[in-house]
Amino acid sequence: DAGITQSPRYKITETGRQVTLMCHQTWSHSYMFWYRQDLGHGLRLIYYSAAADITDKGEVPDGYVVSRSKTENFPLTLESATRSQTSVYFCASEPGPPTYEQYFGPGTRLTVT
Amino acid sequence: AQTVTQSQPEMSVQEAETVTLSCTYDTSESDYYLFWYKQPPSRQMILVIRQEAYKQQNATENRFSVNFQKAAKSFSLKISDSQLGDAAMYFCAYRSVSLITQGGSEKLVFGKGTKLTVNP
Repeated sequence: DAGITQSPRYKITETGRQVTLMCHQTWSHSYMFWYRQDLGHGLRLIYYSAAADITDKGEVPDGYVVSRSKTENFPLTLESATRSQTSVYFCASEPGPPTYEQYFGPGTRLTVT
Repeated sequence: AQTVTQSQPEMSVQEAETVTLSCTYDTSESDYYLFWYKQPPSRQMILVIRQEAYKQQNATENRFSVNFQKAAKSFSLKISDSQLGDAAMYFCAYRSVSLITQGGSEKLVFGKGTKLTVNP
């Protein structure tokens, strides 16, 4: 199916565990982004990527790692999960010019116990 | 750095009526794009409308239209004939299109959102 998907949709993990959230898009968009959404903070950018093998930090990168070996995939890893990382995580992709429109995945609700 | 402000945390409207959501932004750039996104209770972020700063004409998508005032740095969203399905969080967002080497950014800057309730 065309579009942008995230997996898993829901995840419960324990403090200290490593967790990887997957993001896959079928449009071959250049840009991909990871956001977290928490009450009172809106959407905050964690990391983004302008192309394969190019990544950069966003507003809240600490405790997260990303990679982008293929254009279509942009996994987000929590190296050692903490309770403060309990959140809803959104992946998005964007083609760049001329529209610069970002398209979002359905989100992953992560709970760290 | 660019900032986006949505001064109305919550708004309500009667079904079939018209409502306007406000958004202001701060930038020193002359070329940029502005967006409105909708997030219904399903959590899915949906693009509602796009406005290019270089265009004087206000963007329109069916019942959704914007009032873009570049000099005032204002970008409001008008929803006409409101429907129950319009109930959602609405986010205003700014995207620089200047080159990085010219001080631009590849990030989308979001406002905090406005929660819209539609009353039957």
